[in-house]
Amino acid sequence: DGGITQSPKYLFRKEGQNVTLSCEQNLNHDAMYWYRQDPGQGLRLIYYSQIVNDFQKGDIAEGYSVSREKKESFPLTVTSAQKNPTAFYLCASSIDAGTGANVLTFGAGSRLTVL
Amino acid sequence: GQNIDQPTEMTATEGAIVQINCTYQTSGFNGLFWYQQHAGEAPTFLSYNVLDGLEEKGRFSSFLSRSKGYSYLLLKELQMKDSASYLCALSGSNYQLIWGAGTKLIIKP
Repeated sequence: DGGITQSPKYLFRKEGQNVTLSCEQNLNHDAMYWYRQDPGQGLRLIYYSQIVNDFQKGDIAEGYSVSREKKESFPLTVTSAQKNPTAFYLCASSIDAGTGANVLTFGAGSRLTVL
Repeated sequence: GQNIDQPTEMTATEGAIVQINCTYQTSGFNGLFWYQQHAGEAPTFLSYNVLDGLEEKGRFSSFLSRSKGYSYLLLKELQMKDSASYLCALSGSNYQLIWGAGTKLIIKP
């Protein structure tokens, strides 16, 4: 079955450490996204990629970095520069990013806690 | 600018009908989405409206009025498994989604 796999599901990090969240999809989708979800707030876009070797900053990119070396993979690194990294991180993909009817398929999420 | 409002929490009874409203302001409109998210899980797509009117899918229906900046999700014959958060999302002028904070729906027996 096609889908999106995120790992790890739970992650604990000490302050000052970088961590990388994995996101892999086998849906043959061109576009991939990283969102952050905090209680009481809507999903906020961190980065997105419409094609391999290209990605764009979203609304809250500071303190995060991504790469898109393969169509299937879009890892997110949460760096020590991110001041408040504790959150639920969601990876998503879509067929493309340039249409209105752009249905997203989400991974199960990664919950990061900074100790 | 763009913003979306939806109620924070609603309570309904099993077997009943509930309507979850979403109002928005935007300078460009390319559609409105509803997603369902159970606690700690991934959001899943429910509906997409780009034209005014009602779209029906089984027990769930979604309505859009572009002139009023208003949408609602209607859930009929509520089941306990419908307890979840319902997220309204707007596709704006650049096709990126702007998300509401979600409405937590609690179903009571």
